[in-house]
Amino acid sequence: QITLKESGPTLVKPTQTLTLTCTFSGISVTTNGVGVGWIRQPPGQALEWLAVVYWDEDKRYSPSLESRLTITRDTSKSQVVLTLTNVDPVDTATYFCVFSDFMAVPAALIHWGQGFLVTVAS
Amino acid sequence: QLTQSPASLSASVGDAVTITCRASQDIRTYLAWYQQKPGKAPRLLISAASTLHGGVPFRFSGSGFGTEFTLIIDNLQPEDFATYYCQQLTDYSWTFGQGTKVEFK
Repeated sequence: QITLKESGPTLVKPTQTLTLTCTFSGISVTTNGVGVGWIRQPPGQALEWLAVVYWDEDKRYSPSLESRLTITRDTSKSQVVLTLTNVDPVDTATYFCVFSDFMAVPAALIHWGQGFLVTVAS
Repeated sequence: QLTQSPASLSASVGDAVTITCRASQDIRTYLAWYQQKPGKAPRLLISAASTLHGGVPFRFSGSGFGTEFTLIIDNLQPEDFATYYCQQLTDYSWTFGQGTKVEFK
């Protein structure tokens, strides 16, 4: 069974750096075709893709946020970590960790974490 | 870019509804559809433009290739009132449409 769980601070002050951790189980992130990424959704708004790290350590970022984002993977801890620098209240959102496997289900996000609400406020 | 329409629609139980997604470049069939209910994570409905994901009812169907894609829900059921998103994969990066909220008429 595949599980993904997001964790991190629920409240962050403007200009600080947000660090979110996705802890997963039931998947091998080094298997060909596998990717783990992050999506966010501001309250009442649409989904927004942020970043993904693939099986071969290839990393891709949303062009609009690339300068502020870093995604890393720690296979020994079964974790993928996302950092977002210089946060602003507009970064208030529910952040989802997601899993894709191109070999099993092409070009789709098969599994989602439950989501984690982060509020940016002073 | 991915342009999804309409932004919202009103329908009744038993209706058929159509949601469209238009890509700004040829993405072949690298498109998926998701359903999201309030307070929940999205759920994958369709991958590769037309492949129904496991456990998804057959009243959901997807079609399209290249730049034009469609999600059709036949015989709308009460549990289908939700927001639907399309998502594309290009150059190993993902993009979402702006969503379509299906509301009860």
